[in-house]
Amino acid sequence: EPEVTQTPSHQVTQMGQEVILRCVPISNHLYFYWYRQILGQKVEFLVSFYNNEISEKSEIFDDQFSVERPDGSNFTLKIRSTKLEDSAMYFCASSGHGLITDTQYFGPGTRLTVL
Amino acid sequence: SQQGEEDPQALSIQEGENATMNCSYKTSINNLQWYRQNSGRGLVHLILIRSNEREKHSGRLRVTLDTSKKSSSLLITASRAADTASYFCATSLSGTYKYIFGTGTRLKVLA
Repeated sequence: EPEVTQTPSHQVTQMGQEVILRCVPISNHLYFYWYRQILGQKVEFLVSFYNNEISEKSEIFDDQFSVERPDGSNFTLKIRSTKLEDSAMYFCASSGHGLITDTQYFGPGTRLTVL
Repeated sequence: SQQGEEDPQALSIQEGENATMNCSYKTSINNLQWYRQNSGRGLVHLILIRSNEREKHSGRLRVTLDTSKKSSSLLITASRAADTASYFCATSLSGTYKYIFGTGTRLKVLA
């Protein structure tokens, strides 16, 4: 069964450093998403991406964050200058067919630790 | 209450019993999804129910949706120890692409 994959599974970085989290969505999906979950808290929406542009973003997704689909398979989340409070599990998700009602399938997540 | 608020927050049952979790939301939705998350792991999709549907089944799972009450329930029948996890509802609001997750119900099934 097709699945969303994410790399790395765990990323440790120093405060102020840039990180890039990578995702490979399900191959025929059209919509891509990033969410994050701070330890012990609820999953929070960051951004949705369709047709090579951001469809929607939350207030969390400020100028320090960017997303890119550099080729036909990868979808990346970049944090330019990490802060301690960026430590969280970051989940990529994808959905197909372009309908809002479609199921979002999540990857296993990347645990980001900012020291 | 927040959009996507589950209750109870924690539930402990014996293997073989049924587990019921509820989700309430505030605004109109396109659909509602239920996810399972094992400790520190990813989110596994369980069921999507659309706003024009009232009930869906998948194996031992039964989901209901009452749009008049803005609530949904997830029933797991004949629970197993492997069902131990956190369960989240996520709502897709009308006119947006994002899903808003609830705070989750931590289910513990005792063998």
